[in-house]
Amino acid sequence: DGGITQSPKYLFRKEGQNVTLSCEQNLNHDAMYWYRQDPGQGLRLIYYSQIVNDFQKGDIAEGYSVSREKKESFPLTVTSAQKNPTAFYLCASSIGTGDTGELFFGEGSRLTVL
Amino acid sequence: ILNVEQSPQSLHVQEGDSTNFTCSFPSSNFYALHWYRWETAKSPEALFVMTLNGDEKKKGRISATLNTKEGYSYLYIKGSQPEDSATYLCACRGSARQLTFGSGTQLTVLP
Repeated sequence: DGGITQSPKYLFRKEGQNVTLSCEQNLNHDAMYWYRQDPGQGLRLIYYSQIVNDFQKGDIAEGYSVSREKKESFPLTVTSAQKNPTAFYLCASSIGTGDTGELFFGEGSRLTVL
Repeated sequence: ILNVEQSPQSLHVQEGDSTNFTCSFPSSNFYALHWYRWETAKSPEALFVMTLNGDEKKKGRISATLNTKEGYSYLYIKGSQPEDSATYLCACRGSARQLTFGSGTQLTVLP
């Protein structure tokens, strides 16, 4: 089955620790995205990548880092510099970045900082 | 960052009722409007992507309309069923060419 796999589903982290969330897709999509969801808010874009070895900051990139070494993979690292990391994180992909390209989402990862 | 607003935030309807909700967005520099359905414990799934003023799209009992001149889109569900219970997200693509999401409308269909 084609789709997007995020892992882990749940993650607990102590303050001051970096943590990496995995996102893998087998849809052969060029573009990949990371969104963050907080209660009562819309999904907010953290980072996106249109092609391998290239990525761009979204609206809330501070405290996060990404890499895009392979087309299939777009891991997100939540660093200790992120002041409010507890949130639900969604990874998505699309065929391209055209206006009509719908997003395909993973099931998300919930990060809790203790 | 675009201001995309959805209303109502949540609603409960009886099975068999028809319902609709609204997505408002800036009418200037508009490129596309997406609707997604997000069921609990699942991934959001695309329902519609619309770009032209006056667009109307339909998928089964669900349909959507788009008015880019006044900056709104309506999502309609005819004869709601319990399986329609989900959060419905709209997202607008503006001049920055990235999608900005609204906070969603949470629909509960009561049997």
